[in-house]
Amino acid sequence: KAGVTQTPRYLIKTRGQQVTLSCSPISGHRSVSWYQQTPGQGLQFLFEYFSETQRNKGNFPGRFSGRQFSNSRSEMNVSTLELGDSALYLCASSLWQGAATNEKLFFGSGTQLSVL
Amino acid sequence: DQQVKQNSPSLSVQEGRISILNCDYTNSMFDYFLWYKKYPAEGPTFLISISSIKDKNEDGRFTVFLNKSAKHLSLHIVPSQPGDSAVYFCGAGGTSYGKLTFGQGTILTVHP
Repeated sequence: KAGVTQTPRYLIKTRGQQVTLSCSPISGHRSVSWYQQTPGQGLQFLFEYFSETQRNKGNFPGRFSGRQFSNSRSEMNVSTLELGDSALYLCASSLWQGAATNEKLFFGSGTQLSVL
Repeated sequence: DQQVKQNSPSLSVQEGRISILNCDYTNSMFDYFLWYKKYPAEGPTFLISISSIKDKNEDGRFTVFLNKSAKHLSLHIVPSQPGDSAVYFCGAGGTSYGKLTFGQGTILTVHP
């Protein structure tokens, strides 16, 4: 089974631009979550989608948005980029089993975003 | 509000010795906990988990201990190997769909 695939692996943007990141979950996984990793802050939860609906959202500004398609693939968009948005963005998928307990996330390799 | 904390940014151990990574949490609603390992340029990979109804879970060289009263968990790696050198993230879940709350990570370096 193929793992979680994220594209692109690297991105360089300038302040004020916008960016779209893509994630293809493991086949059969319907839940997709996004995380931001920065040094010292660990993994910060952005949002989670299931069946094209956002079920949960972290404490990030509205510049960060996402969506999920009918095939469970997901995209994340960041508008009006700021220097502080430079980070590794990780997508994770999980096999939703009807409860929030014991949910194991499978992560992609991430997209490294650099904002200049 | 950091609900999951890993207070040691780094840990250095000798090959063959025990590595102990610690994690504290504040939210008593968390009911399961996981450890992930991350190598550079790769995504985190699941290592081991424990439910709140247990106080210990073992998988080969890895053992996770949970102390609910202290809201503390630890990961023991015995014996440590150079290939264990990575960033280790403690995560907690059970409160929200698709959301694990992670600590800041601990960089483990195992010297030959």
